[in-house]
Amino acid sequence: EPEVTQTPSHQVTQMGQEVILRCVPISNHLYFYWYRQILGQKVEFLVSFYNNEISEKSEIFDDQFSVERPDGSNFTLKIRSTKLEDSAMYFCASTDSLTGELFFGEGSRLTVL
Amino acid sequence: GQSLEQPSEVTAVEGAIVQINCTYQTSGFYGLSWYQQHDGGAPTFLSYNALDGLEETGRFSSFLSRSDSYGYLLLQELQMKDSASYFCAVHGGYQKVTFGTGTKLQVIP
Repeated sequence: EPEVTQTPSHQVTQMGQEVILRCVPISNHLYFYWYRQILGQKVEFLVSFYNNEISEKSEIFDDQFSVERPDGSNFTLKIRSTKLEDSAMYFCASTDSLTGELFFGEGSRLTVL
Repeated sequence: GQSLEQPSEVTAVEGAIVQINCTYQTSGFYGLSWYQQHDGGAPTFLSYNALDGLEETGRFSSFLSRSDSYGYLLLQELQMKDSASYFCAVHGGYQKVTFGTGTKLQVIP
């Protein structure tokens, strides 16, 4: 069964360092998303992406964040200068339709020290 | 923007029925989804309602009332494996799906 894959599963970084989280969406999906979840809290929308452009972004997604689809398969989230409060689980999701199911990856846990 | 409210915790007995409510405020509305998340896992899709009424999928049903900005998830014949967090999510923009605060369901024997 097709699935969304994310790497790394866990990354530890120092405050101020750049981090890139990678996602391979399901191959025939066109709509991509990044969410984050601080431990024990809700799943927060960061950004959505379609046709090589950002469709929507939240207030969390400031200038420190960027997304890119560098080739036909990968979808990346970059945090330029990490802060302690960026520590969270980051989930990538994809879908082939604007209505209905989002398919989530298993997440990348980011720990900022 | 969007805001969604759910009860934070619900406890129910194995074999029983439980209803998890969700109220939302949103400037645009296309539909309401429900997701299940076990501890340490990814959210997994349960249901989607675009129109008013009840949608049934096995032991799970989801209801939507757009005029009341309200929906609920109904879980029947509860099993221990249903212990998890449940999130409603509103499709409120062109490509924006906003999750609610989440309800932690504990199923007890």
